[in-house]
Amino acid sequence: QLQLQESGPGLVKPSETLSLTCTVSGGSISSSSYYWAWIRQPPRRGLEWIASVYYSGNTYYNPSLKSRVTISVDTSKNQFSLKLSSVTAADTAVYFCARLIGMTGNFDYWGQGTLVTVSS
Amino acid sequence: QSVLTQPPSVSAAPGQKVTISCSGSSSNIGNNYVSWYQQLPGTAPKFLIYDINKRPSGIPDRFSGSKSGTSATLGITGLQTGDEADYYCGTWDSSLSSWVFGGGTKLTVL
Repeated sequence: QLQLQESGPGLVKPSETLSLTCTVSGGSISSSSYYWAWIRQPPRRGLEWIASVYYSGNTYYNPSLKSRVTISVDTSKNQFSLKLSSVTAADTAVYFCARLIGMTGNFDYWGQGTLVTVSS
Repeated sequence: QSVLTQPPSVSAAPGQKVTISCSGSSSNIGNNYVSWYQQLPGTAPKFLIYDINKRPSGIPDRFSGSKSGTSATLGITGLQTGDEADYYCGTWDSSLSSWVFGGGTKLTVL
């Protein structure tokens, strides 16, 4: 069974860079059928797609966040990562990693999510 | 403000049927497949419906999807208390070049 697990600091100071890693187990991140994504959910609000990455390193970003976001993949560790720079309180959210089937928009497996709070 | 519009809440009694709407435009729902996700309290979203009306393995046929024009609908029959959750629609928006989600609908089974 495929599992995804987010890891990273739960507290980040304003203006600093948020860094998270998603470890994939039970399957290969190098599968040609899938992309890997980060999605966030601010408290008591809806879902927002942040970015996606293919095992080859091809990246896709939400235009509204693109200037601050970097997504990358490490196939040797079966992991992919997110960096979000210049964070503010508006970036406080639960961050989920997920698997995306091709470019279908079908996010079929999700991590449990990790709460990141931006506060001094 | 979400690109896809969902009602904030819906409710129905156990055993009854409920529908949840998701309204968009020609740049998203009108020309793309729609997926639906169920988020139980305190958990991650769960893949519920894809390609408008297909169910992943393990999803009961009490859940169904449909689309007409620029709107999509999730239907749930035989409501159970375990169906109480937030439900989200999602699709690609070609104008925004982004995957987008609705604001979510909270289902209460009275």
